[in-house]
This record gives sequence, C-alpha cells and structure tokens, in this order.
Amino acid sequence: TQLLEQSPQFLSIQEGENLTVYCNSSSVFSSLQWYRQEPGEGPVLLVTVVTGGEVKKLKRLTFQFGDARKDSSLHITAAQPGDTGLYLCALYNFNKFYFGSGTKLNVKP
Amino acid sequence: DSGVTQTPKHLITATGQRVTLRCSPRSGDLSVYWYQQSLDQGLQFLIQYYNGEERAKGNILERFSAQQFPDLHSELNLSSLELGDSALYFCASSVAPGDTQYFGPGTRLTVL
Repeated sequence: TQLLEQSPQFLSIQEGENLTVYCNSSSVFSSLQWYRQEPGEGPVLLVTVVTGGEVKKLKRLTFQFGDARKDSSLHITAAQPGDTGLYLCALYNFNKFYFGSGTKLNVKP
Repeated sequence: DSGVTQTPKHLITATGQRVTLRCSPRSGDLSVYWYQQSLDQGLQFLIQYYNGEERAKGNILERFSAQQFPDLHSELNLSSLELGDSALYFCASSVAPGDTQYFGPGTRLTVL
C-alpha cells in the first residue's frame, strides 16, 4: 500500500523558473516531512509541517500543509541548478517512516 | 555531515554471498533505522531499533537481519544475496522513535 503519492515524477526546468511538487495521501496524517536527496547521498530534512493549513518558508522554498492534512506541496521560486535533486515527502505512522517515491528535479543553467 | 557514519561506502559481491553493513548513529541518538533504495526509487523502510531493541519491521526479507549493539551502533546482515538486492542501503538515526531522523551517506551494494 502506497501511503504517499508524489507528483510529478520528473521535472526538468530552466534556471529562474518556478515550480510546485505535490505529495498526497488518502489518509489524514499528523505531520509530514520534506527531504532533498542529491545523487549518491542520503536524504536531508528540509522541513516538518504539523498543522493543517500551515505554511513554512525556507528561503526560496515554500511548504504548505493542506487544511485537511492529507496533502502537501513544495513551491520553489526562481529555481537554481543547486536545487537539482530528488524531493521526498515522508510521514511517521505505526512506528515506521513511509516515503513517497519522490520528484526528481533537474534545473538547467 | 549528518553525524551518522556508514561503512563500507561501496560493496561489490557475488550472488549467494553474505555481507554486513555497519552504521554508527549520531552521538546521543538511540533510534536507528535501515532503508533500501533501488535505482530511481523512493526509500523502503526495512527495520527500526530503539536502544538495542527491535521496534518496527517493514518490508525486510527473511534473508536480511539486523541488530543494534549496546554501544548503539547497528549492523544489517544480508545473506544469500540475489541480483535484485543491488541497491543503496541507508541508515538513519534519531533521538527517539519518530523524531527527526538524520541519514548517513549510504552503502552502495552491487551484486554480480
């Protein structure tokens, strides 16, 4: 059972463009984490969202937790080549972390 | 640098063999998690330990086993290896179960 669905799977854009990636579930979750993973390295936590409707900003990254706590989005403004990587969402449930399959982002200079 | 160390970084072995992957958590972290990541896939949770005790199991094959030692380091043992076991294996640690987890750099296993 896939608890988390991420879209799109792949995204290739030019430097300076904006983008949004999504993480959805059929279940309500109490909190959600977003990670970025660069090739050959482990994922690095970007943010944890906890409250329905919550918006968190991390420089050019904006994270939103849906009001119903079943979906989340990550918006990147003016993407840069350094944003290239695999973006993963994850939740903790039944003593386990469940990860989505990720969005692979490529930002071309 | 997350503070989590994993050895070895790369491992190449043959089908049918057995290997051991090692993980040292961040200082002060009592929980250790193991994950498998196949090519272009998300992370699959394998198993979690907390203070030496198994706490949760994911989709871990019977050929795989793990343990956490009194000094809190952990080992993942993979036996009767198959080609499909080739993947990146990550260890993560957190202070307590469900807390923010920090990932190690991973071990890339190639089974030929």
